Amino acid sequence: DAEITQSPRHKITETGRQVTLACHQTWNHNNMFWYRQDLGHGLRLIHYSYGVQDTNKGEVSDGYSVSRSNTEDLPLTLESAASSQTSVYFCARLAGSYNEQFFGPGTRLTVL
Amino acid sequence: GESVGLHLPTLSVQEGDNSIINCAYSNSASDYFIWYKQESGKGPQFIIDIRSNMDKRQGQRVTVLLNKTVKHLSLQIAATQPGDSAVYFCASRAGGSYIPTFGRGTSLIVHP
Repeated sequence: DAEITQSPRHKITETGRQVTLACHQTWNHNNMFWYRQDLGHGLRLIHYSYGVQDTNKGEVSDGYSVSRSNTEDLPLTLESAASSQTSVYFCARLAGSYNEQFFGPGTRLTVL
Repeated sequence: GESVGLHLPTLSVQEGDNSIINCAYSNSASDYFIWYKQESGKGPQFIIDIRSNMDKRQGQRVTVLLNKTVKHLSLQIAATQPGDSAVYFCASRAGGSYIPTFGRGTSLIVHP
């Protein structure tokens, strides 16, 4: 859906490199989230933000960081990529009458 | 913490059949539940939701049933079509939190 864009859609990197995944939303919504999705685990929350300059850790935040300098963007950075961070990453914002999660198309990251 | 799980990892049905996908949750304080559909290579997509003050909600060809006594919800898809083939997973939320707990998913395969 064009409301949330994620880039790149696919990324291959090497162990130890810094990687940044972009998430951009066009609805000017305060609440944004990053998840990783792995077989057998479902969606797990990495970091989230409730507004500019606000960031919070999720259940699997080790090795990841986020920054929120404006409402539209919440980039996710892997400071030193590890093979265990090979996954599909989804950015989300809240939507609807009951604030359910609305997801972007995802980024598939492979760490060799 | 809360866990949300699915009973069946894979469900195969014939086109035209009705499909039932089940989900159990553990947090009795959960008051909002969502079903998502995820097609291959795409982000999860909202299908239907239900609040805890209801035990049934119907959408177009889909019905969600909630049994709070046994902490169980199900997604029923009527007249299943090949386009329904996807992974379906449930999510639950408690109190005023914006952060749901996601189940691991069931793969629905519809045979023409």
